[in-house]
Amino acid sequence: DAGVIQSPRHEVTEMGQEVTLRCKPISGHNSLFWYRQTMMRGLELLIYFNNNVPIDDSGMPEDRFSAKMPNASFSTLKIQPSEPRDSAVYFCASTSGTGKWGTQYFGPGTRLLVL
Amino acid sequence: GIQVEQSPPDLILQEGANSTLRCNFSDSVNNLQWFHQNPWGQLINLFYIPSGTKQNGRLSATTVATERYSLLYISSSQTTDSGVYFCAVEHEGNNRLAFGKGNQVVVIP
Repeated sequence: DAGVIQSPRHEVTEMGQEVTLRCKPISGHNSLFWYRQTMMRGLELLIYFNNNVPIDDSGMPEDRFSAKMPNASFSTLKIQPSEPRDSAVYFCASTSGTGKWGTQYFGPGTRLLVL
Repeated sequence: GIQVEQSPPDLILQEGANSTLRCNFSDSVNNLQWFHQNPWGQLINLFYIPSGTKQNGRLSATTVATERYSLLYISSSQTTDSGVYFCAVEHEGNNRLAFGKGNQVVVIP
């Protein structure tokens, strides 16, 4: 298996632009997680899905952030409009368990820079 | 919210040495997990350990939930153990996930 795939790997955009991050989980995994990592705030869980349904989005910072999982093999995290403080590394992870636990497999991350 | 404190924040080890990393949390938790982030940024799940002791090769972890701490042991450290070790807990009160700031470990040959 190719593991969790994220695209793009790097993104540089200007403030106010829409940003879409993509994730393809490992085939057969039924839970998917989006994390954000910054120097100031460390690692944060933004949202997780189980069987394509958002279960806990309490970590989503504000309305500018939205996440979807239209099917078992694809998820997006969208920021509109983007702001410089959104600059971070965004990780996607998947697992075959339920809830937040079990062995999570992480993608390589998307490094986002908002100018 | 729950506070998660990891110590020591930074650790330099000679290859072959043993070490213990600690994660303290301020309230009751449902679950606890240890992660490793290598120097290239890749995150790996090490242990899911809400209580008790688990071992995986040279790594082992112990969680004493009643005393609100977990320990990660690295034995016979290797340069590939370098990176940041994160502890994450699920707060029993609100089921939210909280991460510690990590233990930065550097293993020198």
